[in-house]
Amino acid sequence: GQNIDQPTEMTATEGAIVQINCTYQTSGFNGLFWYQQHAGEAPTFLSYNVLDGLEEKGRFSSFLSRSKGYSYLLLKELQMKDSASYLCAVLYGNKLVFGAGTILRVKS
Amino acid sequence: SQTIHQWPATLVQPVGSPLSLECTVEGTSNPNLYWYRQAAGRGLQLLFYSVGIGQISSEVPQNLSASRPQDRQFILSSKKLLLSDSGFYLCAWDQRATIYFGEGSWLTVV
Repeated sequence: GQNIDQPTEMTATEGAIVQINCTYQTSGFNGLFWYQQHAGEAPTFLSYNVLDGLEEKGRFSSFLSRSKGYSYLLLKELQMKDSASYLCAVLYGNKLVFGAGTILRVKS
Repeated sequence: SQTIHQWPATLVQPVGSPLSLECTVEGTSNPNLYWYRQAAGRGLQLLFYSVGIGQISSEVPQNLSASRPQDRQFILSSKKLLLSDSGFYLCAWDQRATIYFGEGSWLTVV
């Protein structure tokens, strides 16, 4: 299979930093994506990693280790509006497979 | 710029009734198009993808079908809906291997 594992839920405080991990099966790997999905809305694209290392985009950063089959999404200076589900998705060939998502709750 | 639209946004259908969800993409040609479904509290499941007119690949056996009558039009259909077809349906297209989603359609089968 192409199991993509990420925690079901996380809670963090406004202004803090949170790291959401994702592990995946490495065979056939072609790239990894992170999406943000607010309740009742479609997912929106956050980041794309295909090479090892850290990609930074404002308050959000995404890291990839292809040999370990591991990625994380780092959110800094958390805001209440960051409360959402964060989806890790892996491109196998030309098929994008999604994890179940991590629900992040930001509390004041 | 490229945009993607799908409709209707919400619908409530009785069991056994037909379904048609439509998706169109603007601002690009020959896109790869996708239909995903997200059941309540679950991840996105790829249902169909298409790399061109009339070319449809089905990912899971189910009560649904898809068609691509025009380059930028993708239609999801069912002849007889089941209760288990309820969910959030998302059309998507890709550019440089990144997938972008439409607004989504909420389907409730009653």
